[in-house]
Amino acid sequence: NAGVTQTPKFRVLKTGQSMTLLCAQDMNHEYMYWYRQDPGMGLRLIHYSVGEGTTAKGEVPDGYNVSRLKKQNFLLGLESAAPSQTSVYFCASSPTLRQPQHFGDGTRLSIL
Amino acid sequence: AQSVTQLGSHVSVSEGALVLLRCNYSSSVPPYLFWYVQYPNQGLQLLLKYTSAATLVKGINGFEAEFKKSETSFHLTKPSAHMSDAAEYFCAVTALKGGNQFYFGTGTSLTVIP
Repeated sequence: NAGVTQTPKFRVLKTGQSMTLLCAQDMNHEYMYWYRQDPGMGLRLIHYSVGEGTTAKGEVPDGYNVSRLKKQNFLLGLESAAPSQTSVYFCASSPTLRQPQHFGDGTRLSIL
Repeated sequence: AQSVTQLGSHVSVSEGALVLLRCNYSSSVPPYLFWYVQYPNQGLQLLLKYTSAATLVKGINGFEAEFKKSETSFHLTKPSAHMSDAAEYFCAVTALKGGNQFYFGTGTSLTVIP
């Protein structure tokens, strides 16, 4: 049982480059989330989805886009990477908002 | 509006001592409350959850938390710390009505001293 899988695990980008982070879950969860984790700031919600074909903004959406074309996948895109986006990114999923989230192991992204 | 505050970004305890990690929430409606643990280079794992069934909630690894509505608190405790408890702990809250987001505290790093 894989749970939530994030790819890639590590990535180094140059300023201005673009990339997509992939999150896949095999638990048939409706809700999916993207967070970033920075020292001293806990987890901050970037975007989330309440079902296939839906997306919504979280606390820190600027500079990111997302898509949920398939229920099991939630993609996070950076169109033009900036050093301020250096962070650890976590994807999570849950059956409903009231139930616990299941997290992936994270993607460490460095932008030079 | 809802939010969650964790008091103390770093807590140190001796092995065998009581662990107390503090979490206070604000919510205009009855909340669902969660504690998660994060070990180095890993994602978050659920420790326990409060969903209004009982005010004292028992979780994994000997942890428990008590929901106190009058104090708007959901503190995490463990009677005797073990070296393996060293990790980052996050409190989180969501609400039964309105909103569609899940709020995390800023985390408390627990160090266990041998």
